[in-house]
Amino acid sequence: GAGVSQTPSNKVTEKGKYVELRCDPISGHTALYWYRQSLGQGPEFLIYFQGTGAADDSGLPNDRFFAVRPEGSVSTLKIQRTERGDSAVYLCASSRDGSYEQYFGPGTRLTVT
Amino acid sequence: AQKVTQAQTEISVVEKEDVTLDCVYETRDTTYYLFWYKQPPSGELVFLIRRNSFDEQNEISGRYSWNFQKSTSSFNFTITASQVVDSAVYFCALKGGYNKLIFGAGTRLAVHP
Repeated sequence: GAGVSQTPSNKVTEKGKYVELRCDPISGHTALYWYRQSLGQGPEFLIYFQGTGAADDSGLPNDRFFAVRPEGSVSTLKIQRTERGDSAVYLCASSRDGSYEQYFGPGTRLTVT
Repeated sequence: AQKVTQAQTEISVVEKEDVTLDCVYETRDTTYYLFWYKQPPSGELVFLIRRNSFDEQNEISGRYSWNFQKSTSSFNFTITASQVVDSAVYFCALKGGYNKLIFGAGTRLAVHP
């Protein structure tokens, strides 16, 4: 079956602009996670959705970052007033209800110039 | 606090050598879960294994084996008879609250022919 997909694969934007990153989880997976990976580091947790609601958003760095999952499937990570420090690979993962194994998408590489 | 430490930043071996990747974790939880993921040059994180804290049996899967030692808070990963295709960054992770994964910084493994 299809894995987690993320679009776009690459996004270049200017400082101060707004961006949206999309994640399509594996069909039937109720849990969805966003992580951010900077060069040479491990992924860092941003937010976790169980169904439509954000169960844990403790990893969002500030109020410029926001994520939604309105129908419990596709999720969008939104970043306002982007800064150069936001440049990273944004990873999405999903898992089945009751499972701790997360399956990751290929990521979106965001570059803020 | 929960933390994962992968002290080896980079390892370089010649094909057919055995190699062990170290992982040390910190947690106050009595029940916890540990993971290993592989990130090949393509960038997508690939799930390798999950280990529960109440199961201390070592696990073997083909050329891969994992050694879980609660006494030293370690969960090391050994690749036997390494191959060029094993070249990747390997991440150890700990399940945190609300199922988020706490990753180590990763170990880059280069296997040379």
